[in-house]
Amino acid sequence: DTGVSQDPRHKITKRGQNVTFRCDPISEHNRLYWYRQTLGQGPEFLTYFQNEAQLEKSRLLSDRFSAERPKGSFSTLEIQRTEQGDSAMYLCASSSGLAGGGYTDTQYFGPGTRLTVL
Amino acid sequence: AQKVTQAQTEISVVEKEDVTLDCVYETRDTTYYLFWYKQPPSGELVFLIRRNSFDEQNEISGRYSWNFQKSTSSFNFTITASQVVDSAVYFCALYSGNTPLVFGKGTRLSVIA
Repeated sequence: DTGVSQDPRHKITKRGQNVTFRCDPISEHNRLYWYRQTLGQGPEFLTYFQNEAQLEKSRLLSDRFSAERPKGSFSTLEIQRTEQGDSAMYLCASSSGLAGGGYTDTQYFGPGTRLTVL
Repeated sequence: AQKVTQAQTEISVVEKEDVTLDCVYETRDTTYYLFWYKQPPSGELVFLIRRNSFDEQNEISGRYSWNFQKSTSSFNFTITASQVVDSAVYFCALYSGNTPLVFGKGTRLSVIA
């Protein structure tokens, strides 16, 4: 069983550009999560999907951020008009959905996409 | 509100020493889950353990052990006979109240050969 994969692993962009990241969860995991992690901090929740439905969004997810999971498999996270404050590691995780409530499952993380905004 | 405190920012030990990483949590819920993850330099968070609030039994897995004490709201993690490969940042996380996982700020462990 392959783990969670993310692409690209690194992205350098200029302020004002749009970027898109992709996450492929563990196969048959119906829950998918996005987190942001800045230096010296733990991951901070951004948003969560159950299948293709986006069930929760953090207030950290400003209107410049949009996430999709169109067929309930892979997901994309887009940041429009990037700002230097968006520089961070963006982590994706998935879980099986077998443990009941939305966040009680064990989440398995991908390697992350490190974004640098110049 | 849910909160996780990992007071130790960085710890250095010499190989083969035992080391304990502290985790203190806050929640008003009686049902909650606690997790530990390891983040090596490659960046990927590796799941180590999940424990629910009704199971206070301590757990041992090889060189790893966890001490869950509801009376002090702590879920500490001990590595016995540490190895260089244990060098990483370790995160404690809390789920409760149907809200997303809350992570502590992590403890960076350096094991020196």
